[in-house]
Amino acid sequence: DAKTTQPTSMDCAEGRAANLPCNHSTISGNEYVYWYRQIHSQGPQYIIHGLKNNETNEMASLIITEDRKSSTLILPHATLRDTAVYYCIVRYDRGSTLGRLYFGRGTQLTVWP
Amino acid sequence: SAVISQKPSRDICQRGTSLTIQCQVDSQVTMMFWYRQQPGQSLTLIATANQGSEATYESGFVIDKFPISRPNLTFSTLTVSNMSPEDSSIYLCSVVRGRDSREAFFGQGTRLTVV
Repeated sequence: DAKTTQPTSMDCAEGRAANLPCNHSTISGNEYVYWYRQIHSQGPQYIIHGLKNNETNEMASLIITEDRKSSTLILPHATLRDTAVYYCIVRYDRGSTLGRLYFGRGTQLTVWP
Repeated sequence: SAVISQKPSRDICQRGTSLTIQCQVDSQVTMMFWYRQQPGQSLTLIATANQGSEATYESGFVIDKFPISRPNLTFSTLTVSNMSPEDSSIYLCSVVRGRDSREAFFGQGTRLTVV
């Protein structure tokens, strides 16, 4: 039961920042926002997650609005290898729900030369 | 990270038969899951594979159709029973290392075609 809304597709020029939005207006206070991506013919790959604060790692940055109803995944310098479907997932990380992922349709990001 | 090996990587099967997919992890993990990805679609969680007990199935999936075993902390199998062409999908194994771990790792998947 996906609780998120994402654009179906986006384009980005190589070397530019890719900003992928996600709406999760029904998110509850103890639910995390996760981002995964799936490159063609591969299994999904974890990117980043956050609860309230903005997060950054070696792959991307996650910006969560103050009301937590939306977030943006930022790939600072997109490369052709970043072409993939990006999934935004909201999840409560306790007990029996730990590890379970309910995928929406995601955003197909295409990075062009 | 976790290294996950799925076998077979792909198969073509006759309708009415069954196929068992294996998932082997390179180290002990807390949780294992099975997903299905139908052609052109997103991933759907089938079940949580519980070590030493019956799997926990998501709505729309039943044990008779998708029996799952997990005899230890590094191995699980998913069987697709009495297959029909509608079962043609990619089946993926996923693991979470520990109860404090936030990251799920996925295998490369098993591409199943039923003819």
